[in-house]
Parts: sequence; structure tokens; C-alpha cells
Amino acid sequence: AQTVTQSQPEMSVQEAETVTLSCTYDTSENNYYLFWYKQPPSRQMILVIRQEAYKQQNATENRFSVNFQKAAKSFSLKISDSQLGDTAMYFCAFIPTTNFGNEKLTFGTGTRLTIIP
Amino acid sequence: DGGITQSPKYLFRKEGQNVTLSCEQNLNHDAMYWYRQDPGQGLRLIYYSQIVNDFQKGDIAEGYSVSREKKESFPLTVTSAQKNPTAFYLCASSIDTSGVIGETQYFGPGTRLLVL
Repeated sequence: AQTVTQSQPEMSVQEAETVTLSCTYDTSENNYYLFWYKQPPSRQMILVIRQEAYKQQNATENRFSVNFQKAAKSFSLKISDSQLGDTAMYFCAFIPTTNFGNEKLTFGTGTRLTIIP
Repeated sequence: DGGITQSPKYLFRKEGQNVTLSCEQNLNHDAMYWYRQDPGQGLRLIYYSQIVNDFQKGDIAEGYSVSREKKESFPLTVTSAQKNPTAFYLCASSIDTSGVIGETQYFGPGTRLLVL
């Protein structure tokens, strides 16, 4: 079974600073996808970034980037130049690509990030 | 605009009552999913469907039922057998055509279910 661990229940940072959210996962699979989702106070889940395990290059989306360390099973999210609108719960998620028909997206418990004006 | 809609936004259930949560998507996605979110926890999978007229149990299917009669629609019924239904329910969809595993799941705005 896959597990996803987010060890930081809450974090806060000043506006315009950089913050890193950590995520580790446990799996015996070699091929998989990793995601970071954002859940603002509206509670809509929004995709932030996605990483394919077979790609060595870290994914980036504007101010959001990841540090993917496959051997260490680590997948941290860096938010640069943080903005007030980044205040949200952030969830790390994992899905294997074994194609046995029962692949499921497994979520961590989330990190509540607050951007302070 | 393409997207996923869920209704109602808030739903109240009385003791012993079955209630149905609606989920509709116009993204032409094959796969649809239902998740439950409780405070302090991540999302847990209730049911999912990869094709019309077929669906599979997730990790916490007991007390829930689904149908998938149309590609665009995947309603979830919370039955009286679900003893602790108060939660936030999220519907998602993904392209997920045969052999394409790991396609991104996109979420609806959610339904908050409360027990009276």
C-alpha cells in the first residue's frame, strides 16, 4: 500500500518570502505520478503542479516548483514570492501507473499555509 | 466553460434518510471519482468509475452507492447505513482512457453534508 506523509500541519510566512512544503511517500512502485493540490477557503481543490517519476527534471509552474528526490522518496513544493492568495491547505498526492485497473490517488493529510501581509 | 459542477452546495440529512449528491462534468472525461474529506484528514476515495455502466469501490464505500448511466454524470447516494455521513464530499474527473494511468484529476467545488 502507498502512503503519503506531510509532516508540517501548519506553516506561515511573510508575503513575498519563499516557503517550502515537505512531502514524503512510501511505495514499491517504480513508475508513478506526484501532485500538489491547493485547497483555498472556498474548499475547491486546485491542481498546482504535477511530476512524472520517470522525469529527472523538476516540474515548475510560474512561482511554484518542486524538488523531486526519487531515491529519498521526497517531493517538496517551493513557493517563491508568496502572495496572499497562496493562503490555503496544500495536499501532496501520489498515483502509481502499474495499469492493473485499481490505481488510486492517495493523499497526504495536508499543510495549512498562511501568508502574512 | 468546461468544468465540474456539484449540487447542492449544502445538504442536510435526517436520521434514516437517503440523500443524493449530484456531480456533472462537461470535460468529456471518461473517469469520475467521489472523495470524502473530514477535518484534519486528506481525501479518501469512496467510489470511482472508469467507464459508463461500470464502477468500483474505493477505500470507504460502505454506506454509499453510485450509478454511472451517462458519461457526464456520477451521482452519489449516502444511505441510512452510513452512520457518520457529516463530511465534505468532492467529485473529480480525469481523462483516464484505457492505458493512460495517472492523468490529472480535476475537482468540483464540493458538497457539505450535515446531519440534523
